[in-house]
Amino acid sequence: DAKTTQPTSMDCAEGRAANLPCNHSTISGNEYVYWYRQIHSQGPQYIIHGLKNNETNEMASLIITEDRKSSTLILPHATLRDTAVYYCIVGDNAGNMLTFGGGTRLMVKP
Amino acid sequence: GAVVSQHPSWVICKSGTSVKIECRSLDFQATTMFWYRQFPKQSLMLMATSNEGSKATYEQGVEKDKFLINHASLTLSTLTVTSAHPEDSSFYICSARDLSVNSYEQYFGPGTRLTVT
Repeated sequence: DAKTTQPTSMDCAEGRAANLPCNHSTISGNEYVYWYRQIHSQGPQYIIHGLKNNETNEMASLIITEDRKSSTLILPHATLRDTAVYYCIVGDNAGNMLTFGGGTRLMVKP
Repeated sequence: GAVVSQHPSWVICKSGTSVKIECRSLDFQATTMFWYRQFPKQSLMLMATSNEGSKATYEQGVEKDKFLINHASLTLSTLTVTSAHPEDSSFYICSARDLSVNSYEQYFGPGTRLTVT
């Protein structure tokens, strides 16, 4: 079973920030939070990951709560091409397989 | 970033026939690759872990005699769906991780859509 819970769907206006929440209350100390997204009929694409600290890259920012039981993926200026299913995944850093939950279907609207 | 390719991108086959899907890491070596299956409007489900030079590890409920996995080289894993039936119609996706770099990223192939008629 997936270790994360996410809203089924969200809408966001083009150009605005998209904030995607994820709960992972059973995360253990050595587990990371990974975010991937899947555009329709394509393979998933890595976005970002983190352990304890907030992280930022060219695609997004990841905010992890101090107790690590939840996190938020932020797309600062959503575009129509960001419409996708976003998966929050908890896993180790040993290269093991990823367990996908239901994800959040983000719809960016003009 | 590293690239994983799959071939074919889509295939239609008749019930009872076998279909082979290839997964290649194009610019890195992958001792381990993963095979996922995704039904319409559902999430990805891990089928098996493919290990170079050894037997694959299958997830519970996945028939190893039906879904044959071969990982004969560090850049190629194949998934053969034997005696395919319409219920095997799905989107099959592979992934791999480049262990030669300090990266936590898994690279996914573009997927193969299998339709069994």
